[in-house]
Amino acid sequence: DIQLTQSPSFLSASIGDRVSITCRASQGISSFLAWYQQKPGKAPKLLIYAASTLQSGVPSRFSGSGSGAEFTLTISSLQPEDFATYYCQQLNSYPVTFGQGTRLEIK
Amino acid sequence: EVQLVESGGGLVRPGGSLRLSCAASGFTFSTSSMGWVRQAPGKGLEWVSSMSGSSNYIFYADSVKGRFTISRDNAKNSVFLQMNSLRAEDTAIYYCVRQGIVVVAAAVRPADYWGQGTLVTVSS
Repeated sequence: DIQLTQSPSFLSASIGDRVSITCRASQGISSFLAWYQQKPGKAPKLLIYAASTLQSGVPSRFSGSGSGAEFTLTISSLQPEDFATYYCQQLNSYPVTFGQGTRLEIK
Repeated sequence: EVQLVESGGGLVRPGGSLRLSCAASGFTFSTSSMGWVRQAPGKGLEWVSSMSGSSNYIFYADSVKGRFTISRDNAKNSVFLQMNSLRAEDTAIYYCVRQGIVVVAAAVRPADYWGQGTLVTVSS
């Protein structure tokens, strides 16, 4: 199974900050990676797939990059509604795996 | 508007069974891959199972293989998860997901729509 490790697990930042979250795969997965956002008590929401393709309706301050085994989710200027937990997911093969999550909180 | 509505969750004793249902609307169900993802209280996301639109491809997480069965009724726009031999560690919110985006050359489609989830609690 492909393991995904996110870093950091916890991130504290301020409104307007630029932040990045890294997801490392235990083996190369080309560009087959997705990112999700989850707010407390809500279902996750797809942000990015194929490493860098923005899902329809997602603000352009979100971007994804990377290929192979290292990927990055970047939020260019944090907004109040961005404080949430973020998960990466590999799309390379079954069984599907997720990263452990990165909790983004307001400083 | 795409909607996924889960039902069937509840409290069940260890070793018991439960059948989750997910009613889908707002898209062409018969051609869409569907799946289940769960989240234990305070924990991260865990994929459970997926099924292609034609039911030709079915996948399970090792943690549920042999105990859970995914199925679908394309005439009723519904997908199901039959859960047998339930354990305490199966306690979680279970989300129904549509895996609707085709990523060229990728084996897995991302979950572009999620239901609100249904809580399954396994406890004596």
